[in-house]
Amino acid sequence: DVVMTQSPLSLPVTLGQPASISCRSSQSLVYSDENTYLNWFHQRPGQSPRRLIYMVSNRDSGVPDRFSGSGSGTDFTLKISRVEAEDVGVYYCMQGTHWPPRTFGPGTKVEIK
Amino acid sequence: QAQLVQSGAEVKKPGASVKVSCKASGYSFISYGISWVRQAPGQGLEWMGWISPHNPNRNYAQKFQGRVTMTTDTSTSTAYMELRSLRFDDTAVYYCTRDQGHDFGDVWGKGTTVTVSS
Repeated sequence: DVVMTQSPLSLPVTLGQPASISCRSSQSLVYSDENTYLNWFHQRPGQSPRRLIYMVSNRDSGVPDRFSGSGSGTDFTLKISRVEAEDVGVYYCMQGTHWPPRTFGPGTKVEIK
Repeated sequence: QAQLVQSGAEVKKPGASVKVSCKASGYSFISYGISWVRQAPGQGLEWMGWISPHNPNRNYAQKFQGRVTMTTDTSTSTAYMELRSLRFDDTAVYYCTRDQGHDFGDVWGKGTTVTVSS
């Protein structure tokens, strides 16, 4: 199974400042069709996860453009250009290339300083 | 818009079974698979398995093999997840999510809390 790791696991941030979360996979997430199936999800307390980014860098409908995804192979990054109060919660990366099983990272908890 | 509506909270005793439903609306049910993901209290997301509504294809996480059964009813656009031989550590929120191969997780249900307690 592909193991996903994230760092940091806890990220205190200042409102209006940038934030960055790293995600690494235990093997390359490039699929035979040359696409890379790496998604990012955000989960606020008491809510369902919401997909923010699919295929490394594509924002889902309604996702603010302060969120961006990048990376390739085994190393990926989610960046928030200017953190807003509504961005608190836990962020998960997830690989969709080598499944079953689908595997998630452990999550990064973002909180306001 | 596409929506998944899940059944209500359940409380079960150890050894019992639970069956959670997930009713789809706003899209063609047979065009997308459904995955089930669970989240134990204070923990991360754990994928349990996937089912395709339009054929009998299923994939279960090895951890749940033999204890879980996923089914669909295309006449009501509803997916079901049954977990048997419940243990205390099965206490979790169970989510269904739309899953079409590499396109995973664009629509989620609100979750069903399953509590296993004696």
